[in-house]
Amino acid sequence: DSGVTQTPKHLITATGQRVTLRCSPRSGDLSVYWYQQSLDQGLQFLIQYYNGEERAKGNILERFSAQQFPDLHSELNLSSLELGDSALYFCASSVAVGEGETQYFGPGTRLLVL
Amino acid sequence: GENVEQHPSTLSVQEGDSAVIKCTYSDSASNYFPWYKQELGKGPQLIIDIRSNVGEKKDQRIAVTLNKTAKHFSLHITETQPEDSAVYFCAASNNNDMRFGAGTRLTVKP
Repeated sequence: DSGVTQTPKHLITATGQRVTLRCSPRSGDLSVYWYQQSLDQGLQFLIQYYNGEERAKGNILERFSAQQFPDLHSELNLSSLELGDSALYFCASSVAVGEGETQYFGPGTRLLVL
Repeated sequence: GENVEQHPSTLSVQEGDSAVIKCTYSDSASNYFPWYKQELGKGPQLIIDIRSNVGEKKDQRIAVTLNKTAKHFSLHITETQPEDSAVYFCAASNNNDMRFGAGTRLTVKP
């Protein structure tokens, strides 16, 4: 158990809909990362937040957005969902930012868009 | 930006044999190289990491080597066991910009 929690574990929805995925980082971690993992694919970095501020952006679609709240939990919002958005979404956290910060991953949210 | 290549994509070994997974990176400024193990239906778990000021690190049956000049690093698992079967990801990081390899599916046959 990494100490990172994600809810829900599974999510089934229809095309065109909007969903929110939630992540609570490990106690004391200030930085949160979101990744997308499609079937049999690697981890695609989406976005990073540090202490409430966006710090880095990866391959995140304009239909997707995220935020980190004062209590450091984070939410990833996915809108106008398409079939291709079906994937595992992982959240990771680290203590801070800087040289070689270890990222600890949550168990993921499996999203299925029908 | 950083580009990480990982080989092989699949690896099958007999129980008790060794397994080696190799990664190359492109950004010479990368200074942190973790390895993650992902079991079916779970999130990636850190199994070992190495920083750029070290050439080799070992933890029981797992070892990682780093060649900064050649920009490659490798994961070595000795005396493999069926429970080592999983997908393994390497990563390279430069001040928190972490990029992952595509993963290696390791199967250990009893």
